[in-house]
Amino acid sequence: EVQLVESGGGLVQPGGSLRLSCAASGFTFRSYDMHWVRQATGKGLEWVAGIGTAGDTFSPDSVKGRFTISRENAKNSLYLQMNSLRAGDTAVYYCARGVHGYIWGSPWGAFDIWGQGTMVTVSS
Amino acid sequence: SSELTQDPTVSVTLGQTVRITCQGDSLRSYYASWYQQKPGQAPELVIYGKNNRPSGIPDRFSGSSSGNTASLTITGTQAEDEADYYCNSWDSSGNHRVFGTGTKVTVL
Repeated sequence: EVQLVESGGGLVQPGGSLRLSCAASGFTFRSYDMHWVRQATGKGLEWVAGIGTAGDTFSPDSVKGRFTISRENAKNSLYLQMNSLRAGDTAVYYCARGVHGYIWGSPWGAFDIWGQGTMVTVSS
Repeated sequence: SSELTQDPTVSVTLGQTVRITCQGDSLRSYYASWYQQKPGQAPELVIYGKNNRPSGIPDRFSGSSSGNTASLTITGTQAEDEADYYCNSWDSSGNHRVFGTGTKVTVL
């Protein structure tokens, strides 16, 4: 069964750090891009970071310099190191598998497998 | 702020057709993908690429695109289709992924 299981969430004080993990199983982990997506309570989805099969990383300005995505293919694991956390980072964090391709020269991408999420609360 | 805009709420009568739209300049260059999210659950991919459904997604879900607008259509809407729906694509730079603002679909 293809599965993603996140862990590492919890309560952290503003300015603190937390490391999330995502354990993958049921597919060839090293062959896929991987991503982190978060959702604050009652709010929409927000893409947080992505990492390609070659280890190239991408993240929006809202977390750049504070969050670092990494992967360890030998352990089928994805990580998100979060530093300088703020109240606004409070959310459920999902890891997701990325797939992509081209149709008539136009690129497409999607997150086809999602974990169940792990809650991160930043509060004093 | 999101570069992909969706109507916040849409209502549809049971058995009827509903179309959910997603607007953004980047959609002129990139296809959108669509996600269904029910309360307390992780999002689920329902449409990707030109109009592709993952295994297990009913064929009443379909996707289309024209200009700067991507659309998700549910034909013969069922009660279990009541959920939040999000589009996703790349931003105008092509480097970052971005989600739409989300649409809550209510089945009457």
